[in-house]
Amino acid sequence: DAGITQSPRHKVTETGTPVTLRCHQTENHRYMYWYRQDPGHGLRLIHYSYGVKDTDKGEVSDGYSVSRSKTEDFLLTLESATSSQTSVYFCAISGLVSVTDTQYFGPGTRLTVL
Amino acid sequence: AQRVTQPEKLLSVFKGAPVELKCNYSYSGSPELFWYVQYSRQRLQLLLRHISRESIKGFTADLNKGETSFHLKKPFAQEEDSAMYYCALKGTSGSRLTFGEGTQLTVNP
Repeated sequence: DAGITQSPRHKVTETGTPVTLRCHQTENHRYMYWYRQDPGHGLRLIHYSYGVKDTDKGEVSDGYSVSRSKTEDFLLTLESATSSQTSVYFCAISGLVSVTDTQYFGPGTRLTVL
Repeated sequence: AQRVTQPEKLLSVFKGAPVELKCNYSYSGSPELFWYVQYSRQRLQLLLRHISRESIKGFTADLNKGETSFHLKKPFAQEEDSAMYYCALKGTSGSRLTFGEGTQLTVNP
């Protein structure tokens, strides 16, 4: 499983509350990613990181922010959760050797915003 | 812009029958193509990448640049192949993947 964990695995929250999801890796991969998975949309990239404190937006970044203060952790924050952010969130890592490395995925976090 | 299309959201076959999951892409350069599989409520796992040209669990996929396709094939489907399959594309710069919408494969006994 490439040493990737996500926490929490399940969360129910209310509209307007802040939520932070954590992705943790033990493999020293350079790149980390956050995706959301929704029926009919597949996986869509939210944000990604190409190094400590180096992040960039993906295709669906509105309403999300990220931080990476150390190699092993990549945090995804919903500043004020909305019902449209109900989804399954996957973290992925890559780049142990080079930028062309395969992406490996975490187990996912199921988030419900009421 | 890069785009991946999987035209079939659902695909149902019987055990022992051949199966083909379609994937078409649009990209102006030379992309790298992948197939990922997700078994029920589990994490995505890499199934194939076109540059390795290997067969995993009996699945193969050939990159057809003329037709911009990367269809996934298996000659004899098994019940344990039932899963969601995603085709993904990586461009020539960077590490980002673009995913298709996925095809849910059901193999019936």
